[in-house]
Amino acid sequence: NAGVTQTPKFRVLKTGQSMTLLCAQDMNHEYMYWYRQDPGMGLRLIHYSVGEGTTAKGEVPDGYNVSRLKKQNFLLGLESAAPSQTSVYFCASNRQGTGELFFGEGSRLTVL
Amino acid sequence: GQNIDQPTEMTATEGAIVQINCTYQTSGFNGLFWYQQHAGEAPTFLSYNVLDGLEEKGRFSSFLSRSKGYSYLLLKELQMKDSASYLCAVPRGGYSSASKIIFGSGTRLSIRP
Repeated sequence: NAGVTQTPKFRVLKTGQSMTLLCAQDMNHEYMYWYRQDPGMGLRLIHYSVGEGTTAKGEVPDGYNVSRLKKQNFLLGLESAAPSQTSVYFCASNRQGTGELFFGEGSRLTVL
Repeated sequence: GQNIDQPTEMTATEGAIVQINCTYQTSGFNGLFWYQQHAGEAPTFLSYNVLDGLEEKGRFSSFLSRSKGYSYLLLKELQMKDSASYLCAVPRGGYSSASKIIFGSGTRLSIRP
């Protein structure tokens, strides 16, 4: 049982490059989330989705876009990467907003 | 994030008891989560409280007071492996009721022998 899978696990980008992080869950969860975590800090919500075809902004959405075309997948895009986006990105999902969150292993992104 | 406050760091001794506090904004309350996160790993679920009182789960207990906007995580019989960050989180109204799960900055707990 894979749970929540993130790809890639590591990526180095140059300023201005674009990339997409993929999150896939096999638990038939309705809700999916993208967080970023900077050294010594908690998780900050970037965007989230309450179902296929719906997305919404979190606490720090600027510079990111998301799409939820299929229920099991939630994509996070950086159109023009900046050094300030160097971070560890976590995807998570749950059955509903008050349910236990299941996290992926994280994706470490470095922007030079 | 969004008025969720926790101490930044705490230190405790192996075998002892430690209490990690979390305060939050009470409006639109839908429950409170506690997660554990070891360095370099993803957070893992510890507890979810929606009613007042203490819930015990082995060595870990979580307490909630909705009227005071206050929760704590109690760790007993501390072990070295309990050295980790402890995050409290609250689901806030967003696109739909209780859909934005917002985390505090976390408390880094260090256990000394």
